[in-house]
Amino acid sequence: GAGVSQSPSNKVTEKGKDVELRCDPISGHTALYWYRQSLGQGLEFLIYFQGNSAPDKSGLPSDRFSAERTGGSVSTLTIQRTQQEDSAVYLCASSLGFRLAGDEQFFGPGTRLTVL
Amino acid sequence: AQRVTQPEKLLSVFKGAPVELKCNYSYSGSPELFWYVQYSRQRLQLLLRHISRESIKGFTADLNKGETSFHLKKPFAQEEDSAMYYCALRGATNKLIFGTGTLLAVQP
Repeated sequence: GAGVSQSPSNKVTEKGKDVELRCDPISGHTALYWYRQSLGQGLEFLIYFQGNSAPDKSGLPSDRFSAERTGGSVSTLTIQRTQQEDSAVYLCASSLGFRLAGDEQFFGPGTRLTVL
Repeated sequence: AQRVTQPEKLLSVFKGAPVELKCNYSYSGSPELFWYVQYSRQRLQLLLRHISRESIKGFTADLNKGETSFHLKKPFAQEEDSAMYYCALRGATNKLIFGTGTLLAVQP
């Protein structure tokens, strides 16, 4: 089956605009994660979903960032009023979840966001 | 505090030389450690996890709780091993806490 997919692959936007990033996890994976990969900060955790709820959203950098997951599947990460420091590659991952030992997270190809 | 430290940003070795990518962690509970790899223009993928005690592509990593380390080793580097390597710790929730990564460059 297909792996984790993300869209768009690239997004260029102007400062102050809102953007939506989409993630399609592997079918049957109950856990979904968003990370951000940037030159200055490396790989940072943003938010974790178990089903449709988010037990850990501690990595969201500000209230401009939000995410939702519907139907236990697709997730959308929304960034409002984008700033230049939001420029990064946004990675989505999914896993079987339920705190399984050695639970492997499978990563998508990422969305490269550039804020001009 | 939960933290992963990879002290080397870049490690350059010649083909056939041994490789050791260093990783130290800070975690108050019982840690779960992983190594992820990202080859050029490919997505991040799991290389190995400490719980499996496996060897993948000739790489091994042993969890040393006394030294809080999880170094990645390979006795003979190959050019195709050139990639970005990330050590990661699974935290109290399922999230992964990554180190800053080490770029391994294997010279011919």
